[in-house]
Amino acid sequence: AQRVTQPEKLLSVFKGAPVELKCNYSYSGSPELFWYVQYSRQRLQLLLRHISRESIKGFTADLNKGETSFHLKKPFAQEEDSAMYYCALSVSGGSNYKLTFGKGTLLTVNP
Amino acid sequence: NAGVTQTPKFRILKIGQSMTLQCAQDMNHNYMYWYRQDPGMGLKLIYYSVGAGITDKGEVPNGYNVSRSTTEDFPLRLELAAPSQTSVYFCASRRAGDTGTGNTIYFGEGSWLTVV
Repeated sequence: AQRVTQPEKLLSVFKGAPVELKCNYSYSGSPELFWYVQYSRQRLQLLLRHISRESIKGFTADLNKGETSFHLKKPFAQEEDSAMYYCALSVSGGSNYKLTFGKGTLLTVNP
Repeated sequence: NAGVTQTPKFRILKIGQSMTLQCAQDMNHNYMYWYRQDPGMGLKLIYYSVGAGITDKGEVPNGYNVSRSTTEDFPLRLELAAPSQTSVYFCASRRAGDTGTGNTIYFGEGSWLTVV
C-alpha cells in the first residue's frame, strides 16, 4: 500500500529565509507526486505536480526516486506563503484512481 | 465555471440525526471523492467513485454512505451522526486520465460539520 510521510507538523521561518517542506513516500511502482496548499479556511488547491517540473509562486519540488522524496522548496519565503501544505501521491492505472495524502505541514512565515 | 460545489458549508447535528452533504461538479469529471480532514491527521478518503453508478470505499467509510446516480452529483450521507464524525468534509473531482492535467484533483470549499 502507498504511504506519504510529512515528518514536520509545524515549520516556522522568517520572511526571506529559505524553506523546505519534506515529503517521503513509499510505493513500489511509479507514483505521481503532488503538493497541495490550503490557505486559512480555503479549499485545497494544487500547487505543484512532479510531472510538470514547474515553479509555482517560487516553489519547486524535485522527485528523487532513489530517496523516495518529493521535498518542496522556496529560496525566499514570503508571509503570504503561510498555509497548510499537503504532499500527495497518486497511483495511476487500474481502478486505483485516488490520492493518498500526508498529514500536512503548517508553514508559518514570520515578518 | 463553478467547479466543485459543496453544501452546506456549516452544520451542527445532534447525535443520532442523519443528513446529506451535497456535492456537484460541472467539469464532466468521471472521478469524485469524499475526504474528511481532522486536525493533525491530514485528509482521509471516505468514499470515491469512478463514474456514475460506481462507488467504492476509501480508508474510513464506516458511518457513511454514498451514491452516484449522475456524473455531476456525489452526495455523502451520514445515517446516525456521532461525535467522531465532527470534521471538515471535502468533496473533490478529477477528469479521467493518468498523466498531465487529467490527474489534477479539484476540491470543493469544504463543509464544517459538528456533531453534539
